[in-house]
Amino acid sequence: KQEVTQIPAALSVPEGENLVLNCSFTDSAIYNLQWFRQDPGKGLTSLLLIQSSQREQTSGRLNASLDKSSGRSTLYIAASQPGDSATYLCAVWWSSYKLIFGSGTRLLVRP
Amino acid sequence: EPEVTQTPSHQVTQMGQEVILRCVPISNHLYFYWYRQILGQKVEFLVSFYNNEISEKSEIFDDQFSVERPDGSNFTLKIRSTKLEDSAMYFCASRSNTGGSSPLHFGNGTRLTVT
Repeated sequence: KQEVTQIPAALSVPEGENLVLNCSFTDSAIYNLQWFRQDPGKGLTSLLLIQSSQREQTSGRLNASLDKSSGRSTLYIAASQPGDSATYLCAVWWSSYKLIFGSGTRLLVRP
Repeated sequence: EPEVTQTPSHQVTQMGQEVILRCVPISNHLYFYWYRQILGQKVEFLVSFYNNEISEKSEIFDDQFSVERPDGSNFTLKIRSTKLEDSAMYFCASRSNTGGSSPLHFGNGTRLTVT
């Protein structure tokens, strides 16, 4: 069964720390992997899309890596800020028509 | 920046009633999706839609549900005979046709409450 797992489920860090969120997935035959941010009661904001042929993508303070063979992706957030507090979701495209989500990591950045 | 828009933001309905959730995808996008998120749970895939037909659907998307693109700009999800367990946030999403490498863009969701 195609599943996405995210660890940890929750994370609390002081402002300024660099942090890593982990995502693992069964079945390495993926099309792409996408990271999202979700604020409480809100929609999902796309952060980064990594194609299966890529190893990483960067946007500002965010860097996402992909290791298809081991079924893992990480989201690195540099110099965290209170405004980064949100739930971060990892999602995998195993076909062109369906994106499967993990349960997310709830991040709190303390001032 | 273009957005996916969903209406209404909150819908309350009585058990057994039919509801229609509406979405306007980004204008040049060709793939359309519905997802739901029950409070405190994962975002779950319901259905994808391309070229005026369903491309893929989950086991959740049974005969109670249907989708339609009635006029070339709107994309709707109809839920017949709603049940208490249909209460959830429903998200519409769309992406462009660039060989599968385009990101999925989500709307802000419709919160459906079935009483």
